[in-house]
Amino acid sequence: EQLVASGGRVVQPGGSLTLSCEASGFSFKNYAIHWVRQAPGKGLDWVALISYDGNIEKYADSVKGRFTISRALSGNTVDLRMDRLTPEDTGTYYCARNYRPYSNYDCWLTTWGQGTLVAVSS
Amino acid sequence: SAELTQDPAVSVALGQTVRITCQGDSLRKYSGSWYQQKPGQAPILVIYGDNNRPSGIPDRFSGSSSGPTASLTITGAQAEDEADYYCNARDASGTRLRVLFGGGTKVTVL
Repeated sequence: EQLVASGGRVVQPGGSLTLSCEASGFSFKNYAIHWVRQAPGKGLDWVALISYDGNIEKYADSVKGRFTISRALSGNTVDLRMDRLTPEDTGTYYCARNYRPYSNYDCWLTTWGQGTLVAVSS
Repeated sequence: SAELTQDPAVSVALGQTVRITCQGDSLRKYSGSWYQQKPGQAPILVIYGDNNRPSGIPDRFSGSSSGPTASLTITGAQAEDEADYYCNARDASGTRLRVLFGGGTKVTVL
């Protein structure tokens, strides 16, 4: 089982970026997927959740209205579109899946990807 | 309040027992989980549903919960257990859902 996050880079304040999370080795369509970030030297900060069927999206207050999580009905990727980025969005972004299949709300996260680094700076 | 509070750091002698706690109102209603993170690595789930271990997690890790407090206990700490540990739980009301993380506890094995 594996999740691979990609797409991180340096971006200017106010800019946009899309991260991708690609799954392999498990039935991707059966699991809710989360994005969690970690600023340098800081703790874990939940960002967003998309349900296993793609019908439910939830966001942290700090990103609501700026970030959009999505998943294709076919395929094995989840994207995180990030707009109006600020320096406070800087950090390593991890994707992870819910522990139990067909469960959107347990929020016990396993199979974490290796993370992708986003740096918002001019 | 919708927060999870952990002690910043704790130390334990090699082979001894250490307990890490996490406090928050969400824990009264929802089961929490615990994660181990070593420097430069992604977190690993070590306890879910308050007291369940995923496959592959040593049985020296155990969890419990009572009221607003969840606990992670390492019985017979090993050098490789030195890491940051985070608790988490959901906070939900109506259609609103958030996932909370505690600030993390740095465990040093002496």
